Amino acid sequence: DADVTQTPRNRITKTGKRIMLECSQTKGHDRMYWYRQDPGLGLRLIYYSFDVKDINKGEISDGYSVSRQAQAKFSLSLESAIPNQTALYFCATSAANYGYTFGSGTRLTVV
Amino acid sequence: GESVGLHLPTLSVQEGDNSIINCAYSNSASDYFIWYKQESGKGPQFIIDIRSNMDKRQGQRVTVLLNKTVKHLSLQIAATQPGDSAVYFCAAPAGNDMRFGAGTRLTVKP
Repeated sequence: DADVTQTPRNRITKTGKRIMLECSQTKGHDRMYWYRQDPGLGLRLIYYSFDVKDINKGEISDGYSVSRQAQAKFSLSLESAIPNQTALYFCATSAANYGYTFGSGTRLTVV
Repeated sequence: GESVGLHLPTLSVQEGDNSIINCAYSNSASDYFIWYKQESGKGPQFIIDIRSNMDKRQGQRVTVLLNKTVKHLSLQIAATQPGDSAVYFCAAPAGNDMRFGAGTRLTVKP
């Protein structure tokens, strides 16, 4: 099994719909992150969490929310999806601010 | 703000040749740097890192060079193979986060 598992791998949704992307990890890391990747741009941080009770906004948090259900689970929600949220989304974990382990990504298309 | 960037969006090399991928950064206080490899349909994978007190670090077929004077680092891949085809990007710490470059797509020609 992968160290960081993201579901779904691919999703097409309509504008205005609420959608949740899920991430689970078996690394035992405290820190978890959600990134967005767009063509020609580096990974951009949406939200991060350093433990179950800690949630922090990243560079591009508008239009997104997160939930850290357990040390191993960190989900990302789009409350009302819009087309410019079409992107590749990655979850990552780390033991500290070093050596991230990434999931395989979720390709989200908003039509 | 802090930035990390790569010099070329694409690089094409012949199988067996050496590849050099470059990266520039802005934060002179970064105490380490990481290179990642991202294959199509997969998440980024750690390749090699280097601490800021080092100039060079070698791994298996890969070498990272750090030039703090000009805030530049490079990833060298020896005897490039078809399996090396991927997007490569550098990353540096920025507060509680990492800054990632946009990536260089390496294509290996047979």
